Formats: sequence, structure tokens, C-alpha cells
Amino acid sequence: AQKVTQAQTEISVVEKEDVTLDCVYETRDTTYYLFWYKQPPSGELVFLIRRNSFDEQNEISGRYSWNFQKSTSSFNFTITASQVVDSAVYFCALTLNFNKFYFGSGTKLNVKP
Amino acid sequence: DTEVTQTPKHLVMGMTNKKSLKCEQHMGHRAMYWYKQKAKKPPELMFVYSYEKLSINESVPSRFSPECPNSSLLNLHLHALQPEDSALYLCASSRIGQGDNSPLHFGNGTRLTVT
Repeated sequence: AQKVTQAQTEISVVEKEDVTLDCVYETRDTTYYLFWYKQPPSGELVFLIRRNSFDEQNEISGRYSWNFQKSTSSFNFTITASQVVDSAVYFCALTLNFNKFYFGSGTKLNVKP
Repeated sequence: DTEVTQTPKHLVMGMTNKKSLKCEQHMGHRAMYWYKQKAKKPPELMFVYSYEKLSINESVPSRFSPECPNSSLLNLHLHALQPEDSALYLCASSRIGQGDNSPLHFGNGTRLTVT
């Protein structure tokens, strides 16, 4: 069975602080895909990044970076120099076949000015 | 602007009403999904259509009836709902097949209140 765990329910930081959101996944399949989504208060889930199980390269996109480690089954997300606009709920998700997507419970990030 | 359009944005209905939620995408995606999201919870999968055929029904009560009239449209027909069905209903689509599957692209959702 597949499972995604986001142990941090809510995190509060002050603007310009760095923050890391943790994601741990479980699957016995060797081929899988990982995602991060952002859900601002408006409700829409916004796709941030996708990672394939066979590609362990870390990625940086502006202030965002992702650390994929198969050895620890983790796919963590770091926001550098956080801004108020980063306040949202962030979901980590996993899929094997693009039919079922398994979402973590989400981490609510509050960035205070 | 989202490329998956959902209407209406808000819906209030009584338990005896019949209503429909609509979803449209023009990205050529051949998989479409309905998710239900309660407050402070992750999205829960309800239905998946692949190539206009229902491929997954997550044991959803029959008061929810999905329909996929064509590759761009997805409907969710609602009848005799309960107050606990109040939630944000999210439609999503993805490109599938040919080894080039895409992430889920979500619409803005329909916030449903059942009175």
C-alpha cells in the first residue's frame, strides 16, 4: 500500500526565514512519482514540482528547492527567505500510475510579516 | 488563470434538490478526476475517468453520479445529499499515455453547502 506522511501540521515563521516542509512516503514499487502542491486560501491546488523515482537530482526553482532522498524515502521542500505570499497549505503526493494520487495530510505554513 | 474551469464556484442546495457540478478542460487531457475536500483535510479521490470511461469509483454513495460526455467535460450530478456532503469539490485533469503522463491540474473547485 502507498502512504504519504507530512508530520508537520502547521508551521509559523517570520518573513525572510527559511523553512523546510517534510514529506515521507511509503511504497514497495520501484517506479513512482512524487509531487508538491500549494493550496492558498482561495482553494485551488497549484502544482509546484514533480519527481520521478529514477531521478534523484535535487531541484531549485527561485526560492524553492526540493531534496529527494530514496534512502530515507523523503521528499522535502525548502522555501528560502519566506514571504507572506507563501502562506498556504502544502501537500505532498505520490502516484504509481497517474490513476490514484495519494496525498499527505498537508502542512499549513503561516508566514508573518 | 486555471486551465480547468469549474462551475458554479459556490452552491447551496437542500437535501431534496438535484444539482450538477461542471468541469471543463481544453488541454487535451484524457484523464479527469473528481475529488472531495473537507476543511483542513487533503483531497479525497471520488472518481477517475480515463478516455471517457469510468476507471475508478472509490465506493462513493450513489447520490453522487459522475458523467463524462466527452473528453473535455466532466459532470457530477448530485441528488438527495446530506449535510455532511458539504465540502469543496475539486475537478482535475491530467495527460496520460504515451509515457508522458502529467501532474494533476486542478480547477478552483465548487464550494458546496447542503442545508
